[in-house]
Amino acid sequence: AQTVTQSQPEMSVQEAETVTLSCTYDTSESDYYLFWYKQPPSRQMILVIRQEAYKQQNATENRFSVNFQKAAKSFSLKISDSQLGDAAMYFCAYDFNKFYFGSGTKLNVKP
Amino acid sequence: EPEVTQTPSHQVTQMGQEVILRCVPISNHLYFYWYRQILGQKVEFLVSFYNNEISEKSEIFDDQFSVERPDGSNFTLKIRSTKLEDSAMYFCASSGGAMGTDTQYFGPGTRLTVL
Repeated sequence: AQTVTQSQPEMSVQEAETVTLSCTYDTSESDYYLFWYKQPPSRQMILVIRQEAYKQQNATENRFSVNFQKAAKSFSLKISDSQLGDAAMYFCAYDFNKFYFGSGTKLNVKP
Repeated sequence: EPEVTQTPSHQVTQMGQEVILRCVPISNHLYFYWYRQILGQKVEFLVSFYNNEISEKSEIFDDQFSVERPDGSNFTLKIRSTKLEDSAMYFCASSGGAMGTDTQYFGPGTRLTVL
């Protein structure tokens, strides 16, 4: 069964510093998508970054990058130069026929 | 930039009443989805819809729920007789390709409160 695990319920980072959020997943599939979504207090789900499993190159989107380790089934998100607006819940998600979300990591950004 | 919209942003209803949550997916998308998020919990998949029929549904999506694309732009989720435990945030999403092949774009959500 596909499961997504985020082992860090809450994390804090100083403004301008770098933080890494962890995510692991379980699947027997070889081709799938992985995502990080941001959910601010408004509770809207905002796509941050996505990774296609067949691509070895790690996805990058401005200050956001991932470390995708397919064999280890690990998909971490690195946020560089953290900004106050990055404070939110971050959800890791796996997509193959159905969408599975992790339980989320609350990121606090300290000024 | 195109986006998914949802109305209303907040719906309050009495237990046992029917509610219809509305979504306007991105115009050239063909695949539509509903998810829910009970407060403090993870987002859960409810149903996916393609070519005017349900393609996947979760165990949560029982006979109380139905989806419809009544016209070329709207995608609705109906809950026939609401229960207290239906109180949640409901997200609509759409994608150009099938699950597992394309990014899903989420709407801002409808907060449903059942009293």
